[in-house]
Amino acid sequence: TQLLEQSPQFLSIQEGENLTVYCNSSSVFSSLQWYRQEPGEGPVLLVTVVTGGEVKKLKRLTFQFGDARKDSSLHITAAQPGDTGLYLCAGDEYSGGGADGLTFGKGTHLIIQP
Amino acid sequence: GAGVSQSPSNKVTEKGKDVELRCDPISGHTALYWYRQSLGQGLEFLIYFQGNSAPDKSGLPSDRFSAERTGGSVSTLTIQRTQQEDSAVYLCASSLGWATGELFFGEGSRLTVL
Repeated sequence: TQLLEQSPQFLSIQEGENLTVYCNSSSVFSSLQWYRQEPGEGPVLLVTVVTGGEVKKLKRLTFQFGDARKDSSLHITAAQPGDTGLYLCAGDEYSGGGADGLTFGKGTHLIIQP
Repeated sequence: GAGVSQSPSNKVTEKGKDVELRCDPISGHTALYWYRQSLGQGLEFLIYFQGNSAPDKSGLPSDRFSAERTGGSVSTLTIQRTQQEDSAVYLCASSLGWATGELFFGEGSRLTVL
């Protein structure tokens, strides 16, 4: 099983600030997903990145997959209170069909204060 | 239903009792996954089903845990002789097929073992 390290674990910033959270591994992933989870709910998919170096934008959120497909970052511009939540990255093993599902990081708890 | 449905949403039980958690996936989704999320932790993979079969059960924490899926739809996760360390949120997810993109999660079943 691949290990995904997310940083920071906790982040509390003021509304309007920018932030970046990271997802790192020593192993290669065929694809990587970012989910957001709000209290009392299940995670919801934000984006999937597949190609090394790929950049995807979702409104104020920018996702990047590392060239070597071992790491990813999520950058939020002008954070809003509605961005508050647990951000999880999840990687598919680069094994042509692993049997143990996605590997999830422990997540970044993000709080945006008004 | 429109989404993944899990029941019960909350379960408080005494140490040593058995519990059953139920998951009703999105209609037409052949793959079903169980994850466990402890406080402050990421998602721990438990087991997945492709149709009614579970090719890999190695994620189950102990032999007190078992899961089944019948009719390619509803799944139950059973924990026998519960222990306090079993306390967690148990999340179910489904997808169109194994390793085919987005996981759709239910809201989870919060288990508290006293």
